[in-house]
Amino acid sequence: ETGVTQSPTHLIKTRGQQVTLRCSSQSGHNTVSWYQQALGQGPQFIFQYYREEENGRGNFPPRFSGLQFPNYSSELNVNALELDDSALYLCATHLSRTEAFFGQGTRLTVV
Amino acid sequence: DAKTTQPNSMESNEEEPVHLPCNHSTISGTDYIHWYRQLPSQGPEYVIHGLTSNVNNRMASLAIAEDRKSSTLILHRATLRDAAVYYCILSPRVGGTSYGKLTFGQGTILTVHP
Repeated sequence: ETGVTQSPTHLIKTRGQQVTLRCSSQSGHNTVSWYQQALGQGPQFIFQYYREEENGRGNFPPRFSGLQFPNYSSELNVNALELDDSALYLCATHLSRTEAFFGQGTRLTVV
Repeated sequence: DAKTTQPNSMESNEEEPVHLPCNHSTISGTDYIHWYRQLPSQGPEYVIHGLTSNVNNRMASLAIAEDRKSSTLILHRATLRDAAVYYCILSPRVGGTSYGKLTFGQGTILTVHP
């Protein structure tokens, strides 16, 4: 049990639609990161939020965006969904640079 | 980002020790060595991390080579619950707050036989 909760657990969307994924974290973990994990691959870093501001981004287009709220919960938004966006989306929270706590992920299928 | 190299897969028998190797020949002096594992249908789970000295915790031990170009994760007595993908990751020790960026490779798939 990591104290990181993601919702929903599974989601099916149609190509071109928009999706919002949510993550709630343990109190005091002021840094949240999002990852995309395609089937059979390791997780790929999308971006990180620290104190409600994005402060690091991986190689993902602008249609991937996020928010972090004052209570440290977070959202990942993806616009104009493509078939290749089908993946497991993981949220991770950090209190320091030594350990990240991951949620169980949201499995997104784009059809 | 410095790169790590791990075997694609390893096998072990239950109750036996497992040594999972990782090469990171381009590691910089300020990089931490992290190990995470991912059980089937779960998010990654922190296992252990280190900088220069060997480290032990309740889950595993981390042996770091003197030149830091390689490390070994040691599971002292493998159980069926240790079957997972194990990732060796480098992350910078210094430099702002962007420490959330963990660069995962393919990892090592560990199979544990009863």
